Amino acid sequence: EVQLVESGGGLVQPGGSLRLSCAASGFTFRSQAMGWVRQTPGKGLEWVSWISGLSRGGENWSHEDSVKGRFTISRDNFKNTVYLQMNSLRAEDTSRYYCARVTSTNYFDLWGQGILVTVSS
Amino acid sequence: EIVLTQSPATLSLSPGERATLSCRASQSVSSSLAWYQQKPGQAPRLLIYDASNRATGIPARFSGSGSGTDFTLTISSLEPEDFAVYYCQHCSSWPLTFGGGTKVEIK
Repeated sequence: EVQLVESGGGLVQPGGSLRLSCAASGFTFRSQAMGWVRQTPGKGLEWVSWISGLSRGGENWSHEDSVKGRFTISRDNFKNTVYLQMNSLRAEDTSRYYCARVTSTNYFDLWGQGILVTVSS
Repeated sequence: EIVLTQSPATLSLSPGERATLSCRASQSVSSSLAWYQQKPGQAPRLLIYDASNRATGIPARFSGSGSGTDFTLTISSLEPEDFAVYYCQHCSSWPLTFGGGTKVEIK
């Protein structure tokens, strides 16, 4: 079955860290770009991070400005898993985080069920 | 950053009616625009990409049009399962951004 399953969310204090994982199955993971999108009731959908698939040019990634320097996206092509390391978390990072497969033209064509991250003391 | 503005915020219609949703970009995105459907408690689902191409498995009653800064998602005849929130997203440049959504609700 083609699917993405996120894990690693939960409650964390401001300034803390959390690592989200997204396990992929049912498709050739290593060749696909992957991304993270978050959603809060007040702000709708927001792209967070993107990482390229395996290519001659090596690995590339991009992060939205508000998370640059705090969040890092990475992948393990042997484990078919993409990660989002989140450091220096803020209250405004509280969201449901979705893992998504990204097409060659940067659309999100497969989504996980999402996982909740709450940043609060 | 390209800002996508969706209108209306809410559309109240009856099953069988035609729905017309708008997405306007703050600058040209060519045809690099997608539409997603999201139902309560579910992840978004890709409906339309490159402004007018239906994603795999999407019924023909969904169609997209437009280019540049003005885009439209049309649902020709609403089915009960189509009542949901719809988002547009551009991929013309970084950062990728989404519109604020249009909720299609039962009248």
